[in-house]
Amino acid sequence: NAGVTQTPKFQVLKTGQSMTLQCAQDMNHEYMSWYRQDPGMGLRLIHYSVGAGITDQGEVPNGYNVSRSTTEDFPLRLLSAAPSQTSVYFCASSYPGQGHNEQFFGPGTRLTVL
Amino acid sequence: AQTVTQSQPEMSVQEAETVTLSCTYDTSESDYYLFWYKQPPSRQMILVIRQEAYKQQNATENRFSVNFQKAAKSFSLKISDSQLGDAAMYFCAYRSGPYRGNEKLTFGTGTRLTIIP
Repeated sequence: NAGVTQTPKFQVLKTGQSMTLQCAQDMNHEYMSWYRQDPGMGLRLIHYSVGAGITDQGEVPNGYNVSRSTTEDFPLRLLSAAPSQTSVYFCASSYPGQGHNEQFFGPGTRLTVL
Repeated sequence: AQTVTQSQPEMSVQEAETVTLSCTYDTSESDYYLFWYKQPPSRQMILVIRQEAYKQQNATENRFSVNFQKAAKSFSLKISDSQLGDAAMYFCAYRSGPYRGNEKLTFGTGTRLTIIP
């Protein structure tokens, strides 16, 4: 199993550009989520999904869109990048329910918006 | 909403010694789960240990153990016999009860642990 994969690992954008961060998992996890990590602020939830066709907002959803057409993939879209979106982005997945279930994280994408 | 507080931005410990990282949380729920994640320089998030709130016994994983004080809403991580490979950022995290849709984690701001050879 590859686990949770993210592409790209690094990206530099100009203000106003759009892009999609890719996330895929091969563990048949129904739950997937996106976090952003900023210095001194820990990880904050952007969007999450409890299954294909179902998405919901987290703590910091503004400026980001998601969709979940398959169990395996959960892309994060930035429609018009802003410098405030400079961050490290993590995708995570787990089985639903069962509170003790471990969430598996991808390796992260470092995004810089100039 | 739940909050998680890690009041020690940085800690250091001599190799082979013991160190304790602090975490407090605020919640009105009675059923929840707590986690410690390690983030080494590689950036990968690695689960260190987990605790179910309904269990009174403190969780232990090899050199890692927790001191879970439910009434005080405290969840500290003790690392015994510290090793150079323990150097990392450590995050405390909270999730609500075991129901579908409750999977989201609330993280603290992290503690950077340095191991002194």
